[in-house]
Amino acid sequence: NAGVTQTPKFRVLKTGQSMTLLCAQDMNHEYMYWYRQDPGMGLRLIHYSVGEGTTAKGEVPDGYNVSRLKKQNFLLGLESAAPSQTSVYFCASSLSSYEQYFGPGTRLTVT
Amino acid sequence: QQPVQSPQAVILREGEDAVINCSSSKALYSVHWYRQKHGEAPVFLMILLKGGEQKGHEKISASFNEKKQQSSLYLTASQLSYSGTYFCGTPLNAGGTSYGKLTFGQGTILTVHP
Repeated sequence: NAGVTQTPKFRVLKTGQSMTLLCAQDMNHEYMYWYRQDPGMGLRLIHYSVGEGTTAKGEVPDGYNVSRLKKQNFLLGLESAAPSQTSVYFCASSLSSYEQYFGPGTRLTVT
Repeated sequence: QQPVQSPQAVILREGEDAVINCSSSKALYSVHWYRQKHGEAPVFLMILLKGGEQKGHEKISASFNEKKQQSSLYLTASQLSYSGTYFCGTPLNAGGTSYGKLTFGQGTILTVHP
């Protein structure tokens, strides 16, 4: 039981490049979330999904897109990376509105 | 709007107690607490629900004052393993914890020395 996994662990992008972060969970959770974490800002919700095929915006969705084609996977895309998107990205999943299980994070640097 | 945590940082010696506060500008239906060790993912500690119900699996207690729109996390007889950053999360939208969408405070750094 791997829990929540994220790939890649680290990535460096140049301004304007695109990339996709993959989150996978093996706990059969319905809800999945993408957060970004910046120093002094805590965790901020980017997008979330309440089930396969559904996604919705969180607190800071601009510049990001998501897809949930399979229940176990939640993808976060950056179409045109900007330095302001330099951050640590965490994926989480939950069975209900209570405990969220977080992945190990992806450290993204945009130069 | 993100909740506000205080203090920003706490330094303790093993065995000492600490209190971390979380305040919101809007009515609270629940408060969620997480701990994150350096370089690791946040880990769920507990949730406090309106009406007094608590759900958690750590030996850490907390209070929830709905009228004052705040929660406090109590760490007693601290251990070295308690070191980390503590975050409180509150529902992103008014009316409850719909789909678990949370907005988190900026975090409180707790350091426990031997």
